[in-house]
Amino acid sequence: KNQVEQSPQSLIILEGKNCTLQCNYTVSPFSNLRWYKQDTGRGPVSLTIMTFSENTKSNGRYTATLDADTKQSSLHITASQLSDSASYICVVSDRGSTLGRLYFGRGTQLTVWP
Amino acid sequence: EADIYQTPRYLVIGTGKKITLECSQTMGHDKMYWYQQDPGMELHLIHYSYGVNSTEKGDLSSESTVSRIRTEHFPLTLESARPSHTSQYLCASKVQGGTDTQYFGPGTRLTVL
Repeated sequence: KNQVEQSPQSLIILEGKNCTLQCNYTVSPFSNLRWYKQDTGRGPVSLTIMTFSENTKSNGRYTATLDADTKQSSLHITASQLSDSASYICVVSDRGSTLGRLYFGRGTQLTVWP
Repeated sequence: EADIYQTPRYLVIGTGKKITLECSQTMGHDKMYWYQQDPGMELHLIHYSYGVNSTEKGDLSSESTVSRIRTEHFPLTLESARPSHTSQYLCASKVQGGTDTQYFGPGTRLTVL
């Protein structure tokens, strides 16, 4: 069964600190993995996308890693800001259909305190 | 910021009412999607469209219906709303093929009393 599991479910950190969010998946055949940021009451916004051959991708203070062998990904946030408070969703796409089927994790709810 | 819009943003309605959630995008994307999301849970695909006059049901069974008469417009309709329909509804779009990212609208928070 294709699944995406994220941990931790929620995380509280102080402003300026770093944190790492985890994503494990069982989706096969694998096409790509995205990390989305979803602010409360808003739609998700893409942060990074990685294909099978990529093992790291950065977008400003966000750095995503991918280990396709162990089917694990992480999102590292450096020097956190209050605006980083949001849900971070790991999304894996398979390449077995023309739809580009997406499998969503439940997200990690990050809260950054001043 | 993606050019995809949803209205209304919030809707509180009584049981049995007919409602239509609007979604429109100005990016010329062929593929459009409707997702349902409950608090703390993953997004579930309820409808999608490959293009004009194409509509398909997603993974999560839904009593809603959709239409795609124009490329830019993908409305979702509930003929008779029930409390079980209370949820957040997210619309998304993407270009045809490849690994292109889905762009999401801001969502409609529906509450059925």
